[in-house]
Amino acid sequence: NAGVMQNPRHLVRRRGQEARLRCSPMKGHSHVYWYRQLPEEGLKFMVYLQKENIIDESGMPKERFSAEFPKEGPSILRIQQVVRGDSAAYFCASSPSTDTGELFFGEGSRLTVL
Amino acid sequence: EDQVTQSPEALRLQEGESSSLNCSYTVSGLRGLFWYRQDPGKGPEFLFTLYSAGEEKEKERLKATLTKKESFLHITAPKPEDSATYLCAVKTGTASKLTFGTGTRLQVTL
Repeated sequence: NAGVMQNPRHLVRRRGQEARLRCSPMKGHSHVYWYRQLPEEGLKFMVYLQKENIIDESGMPKERFSAEFPKEGPSILRIQQVVRGDSAAYFCASSPSTDTGELFFGEGSRLTVL
Repeated sequence: EDQVTQSPEALRLQEGESSSLNCSYTVSGLRGLFWYRQDPGKGPEFLFTLYSAGEEKEKERLKATLTKKESFLHITAPKPEDSATYLCAVKTGTASKLTFGTGTRLQVTL
């Protein structure tokens, strides 16, 4: 049973370019969460999605960031016009329900903005 | 706003030297406190869930306890493979949206 798969593991972008990060949840999991981890900081919640729906995006910056979880295919976190401050590790997690706080994390996508 | 504070930031132990990590929290309506382990370059890995004051959970050399204001992760006779960052998180809403502390970096040496 494959775990949460994220790709790419490492991504380098120049300022102003777009970054797309993908996440395939564990089989049978319909709840997906994205977290951002800045150097020397804790994991910060960004967005919670179920299939085709954004449930809670209270942690997402208002501009340049968007997320989706289509009926078919992986969840995607999209960052437009990246800036140096977007450099971070972005983690995706999935769970089978909302009753649990046991999240299954991927290994993360590390974005570096030059 | 929910707040989670972990201490110490870093801890260095010799193999076999037991110690405890602290997680203090300020939340409105705790629906669970969670401990995760994170190795360098990896995603967090779930360890324990605690729901109510007085509850304890154990796994190998680790034991987690919970009071109304804080949680402790006790490490008994640690080994070098226990070296990692230990993260504490709280859940207050109905979804699995967690608020994490900044973690304790544990290094266990021979």
